[in-house]
Amino acid sequence: DAGVTQSPTHLIKTRGQHVTLRCSPISGHKSVSWYQQVLGQGPQFIFQYYEKEERGRGNFPDRFSARQFPNYSSELNVNALLLGDSALYLCASSQDLHNEQFFGPGTRLTVL
Amino acid sequence: QKEVEQNSGPLSVPEGAIASLNCTYSDRVSQSFFWYRQYSGKSPELIMSIYSNGDKEDGRFTAQLNKASQYVSLLIRDSQPSDSATYLCAAYTGRRALTFGSGTRLQVQP
Repeated sequence: DAGVTQSPTHLIKTRGQHVTLRCSPISGHKSVSWYQQVLGQGPQFIFQYYEKEERGRGNFPDRFSARQFPNYSSELNVNALLLGDSALYLCASSQDLHNEQFFGPGTRLTVL
Repeated sequence: QKEVEQNSGPLSVPEGAIASLNCTYSDRVSQSFFWYRQYSGKSPELIMSIYSNGDKEDGRFTAQLNKASQYVSLLIRDSQPSDSATYLCAAYTGRRALTFGSGTRLQVQP
């Protein structure tokens, strides 16, 4: 079975721009979570979606938003990009809430 | 106190030795714990999950959970240079967030 997939792999944007990151979960998994990871730190929780509803939100500004589609894929949107948004953005899927989460390869975002 | 804490390391062990990685947690986390391995430039890979007090073994890996002392550990037997990576401890918190420690960098010396 295919694992979690994310696109794009790398992205370069300038300050003030908007970005959309995409994620497809493992087949049969209904929950998708998004994380931001900067160098030297563990992943920081941004959102969790389950059955197309937001079930958890981390301490990120309103510039960050997400949604989950009927096929359980998900998008993370970030508006008005700042230099500090440069990071590895990780998507993880799980069968249900509070289950084991499996990560995709990530999207490396660089904001110039 | 942070919800999940790890020593950043690096932890250096010789090839063939046992590597012991530790993680402490606060009262704010649930009793589901996960260990991930992350190679430089890659995404985290799930190694072990542990939910009950005691030990859980999977191949060369053993996870240990001690609820009374609020720590969870990962032992890697017969360490290999390919085990050199950052090991992340994680647990669910009340916000349904999977909360990670900052990771411990392990170096296995040939």
